[in-house]
Amino acid sequence: GIQVEQSPPDLILQEGANSTLRCNFSDSVNNLQWFHQNPWGQLINLFYIPSGTKQNGRLSATTVATERYSLLYISSSQTTDSGVYFCAGNHYGGSQGNLIFGKGTKLSVKP
Amino acid sequence: DADVTQTPRNRITKTGKRIMLECSQTKGHDRMYWYRQDPGLGLRLIYYSFDVKDINKGEISDGYSVSRQAQAKFSLSLESAIPNQTALYFCATRRQGGTEAFFGQGTRLTVV
Repeated sequence: GIQVEQSPPDLILQEGANSTLRCNFSDSVNNLQWFHQNPWGQLINLFYIPSGTKQNGRLSATTVATERYSLLYISSSQTTDSGVYFCAGNHYGGSQGNLIFGKGTKLSVKP
Repeated sequence: DADVTQTPRNRITKTGKRIMLECSQTKGHDRMYWYRQDPGLGLRLIYYSFDVKDINKGEISDGYSVSRQAQAKFSLSLESAIPNQTALYFCATRRQGGTEAFFGQGTRLTVV
């Protein structure tokens, strides 16, 4: 079926540590996006990354579309990085253009 | 001002009441979506619209209806609210072609 799966579901880090979040996606899903949901519930766009690598400050993302996975790297984590990270992919084909979400990785960064 | 604006941001309503959540966008996108988020879950699609004359049901449309009043406006209605519709609701927009999606700030709805 159409799936977007994230791991790990929960992650606790000490401030300053690095982390890698993973997103696997099934066939008929493409054009991955990464979001950060802050403690107020807002969804913040991090990366739109159908393939390749992008960097924005301490965050970077890589999507290997041929192997159907994407990675989000957080370096030198800060307490403000806490929240839930979602990946979402575009379902092309039958339902045309819907964004399918994973269940998220809840990140807690301790001071 | 936000590119995708949802109103209200928070709402408490009683079981059986009709309620409308509104979404407007200034991004000029043709596609608009309504999602709901429940604790511990990702976002699930309620309805989506590819243009003013096109409305489609999503994964969990029962108990909801929508109206696309203009390209920039897409509203979600709960005809008779029930407690299990308590959730965080998001509106989203994107261009045709599976491009980057943008979300509103969310509406936290509580049905008592």
